[in-house]
Amino acid sequence: RKEVEQDPGPFNVPEGATVAFNCTYSNSASQSFFWYRQDCRKEPKLLMSVYSSGNEDGRFTAQLNRASQYISLLIRDSKLSDSATYLCVVITSGTYKYIFGTGTRLKVLA
Amino acid sequence: DTAVSQTPKYLVTQMGNDKSIKCEQNLGHDTMYWYKQDSKKFLKIMFSYNNKELIINETVPNRFSPKSPDKAHLNLHINSLELGDSAVYFCASSQGLARQETQYFGPGTRLLVL
Repeated sequence: RKEVEQDPGPFNVPEGATVAFNCTYSNSASQSFFWYRQDCRKEPKLLMSVYSSGNEDGRFTAQLNRASQYISLLIRDSKLSDSATYLCVVITSGTYKYIFGTGTRLKVLA
Repeated sequence: DTAVSQTPKYLVTQMGNDKSIKCEQNLGHDTMYWYKQDSKKFLKIMFSYNNKELIINETVPNRFSPKSPDKAHLNLHINSLELGDSAVYFCASSQGLARQETQYFGPGTRLLVL
């Protein structure tokens, strides 16, 4: 089983839709979580950190479910510019390593 | 001003050659990383340096040798290039080693081994 798993997609959604992605992790000692965004042929960029109590940044909401070992990203009112691959990142206690998921591809359609 | 820069952006070379990729960050960060993103877009850590000291060395063939001349630079030298080395190599940096530190990525070096 991979340490961090994501549905590769693509998720094709119309503009204005709400879409959610999950990311599961296998190591219960995982301590820190992030969502990164990667546009085609570009570098990954931080979208948001994921806090235990959940957090929101504009149209984006991140949640952590430690019991079921997954994090989620919810995007409301999707824009064409949201089209990208969304990478979840997990850091395990006692290490400094970012473990990336394989990414979920989102296409927002006009 | 580019925060994390890499050179070259593209590298096409023959099997068996030796090549280097350079990375520089102007963020004043202490920690730098090399990642490999393969054809399936899977991004995996290769090496990490903190204050010029190697702290992460994943299971990478010893044909890959990182070198950090100072905190702002982390270079990657690859000997005897193989077809399977074809990938995008990303350099990244972070303020330090704390778990919540954001990593900032360079634009990537697209390596194609023929």
